[in-house]
Amino acid sequence: EAGVVQSPRYKIIEKKQPVAFWCNPISGHNTLYWYRQNLGQGPELLIRYENEEAVDDSQLPKDRFSAERLKGVDSTLKIQPAELGDSAVYLCASSLEAHGRRDEQYFGPGTRLTVT
Amino acid sequence: DAKTTQPTSMDCAEGRAANLPCNHSTISGNEYVYWYRQIHSQGPQYIIHGLKNNETNEMASLIITEDRKSSTLILPHATLRDTAVYYCTRGYGQNFVFGPGTRLSVLP
Repeated sequence: EAGVVQSPRYKIIEKKQPVAFWCNPISGHNTLYWYRQNLGQGPELLIRYENEEAVDDSQLPKDRFSAERLKGVDSTLKIQPAELGDSAVYLCASSLEAHGRRDEQYFGPGTRLTVT
Repeated sequence: DAKTTQPTSMDCAEGRAANLPCNHSTISGNEYVYWYRQIHSQGPQYIIHGLKNNETNEMASLIITEDRKSSTLILPHATLRDTAVYYCTRGYGQNFVFGPGTRLSVLP
């Protein structure tokens, strides 16, 4: 079974430029997460989708970040314009929610973003 | 607020058991305890989870105290490949919060 797929794996951009990350979750998983991970810290949730609906985006910096999950499958996270402080690893994860309890999350390898 | 506390780092000799503690003193009755690990340059990997009873799978064992205020992840025979950051987190039906975790170094 294929795991969570993310692309690109690495991205270097200049500040003020736009960037987009793509994620394809495990087949059948209805819940999708985007996390940001800074060096030496644990993942920080940015947004959570249940199917195509964003049910928690309270930690998403909405002035520059946007996300979508069309058709409830793959998802795109965008930053426009990027700032130096956005340099981090962006992780996508998916899980299967059943009976009100969210099952364990499966993470992709992440996209390492460097903003210069 | 990570809602769990873990030691910053630990060492373990190869072949010995690694015991990683986690404090979750404010855990609610329906919250599960989950453990993940992250090997360098990879995404976090699910290890095990539990509610009240001790759990064991092919990767590890999870011991939860009777009052559920703390737990211990046990890797029975640590190998060099177990060197990673281990995250303890808790939750039920809501998002999990990851703290900085414990950096486990398995030494030859």
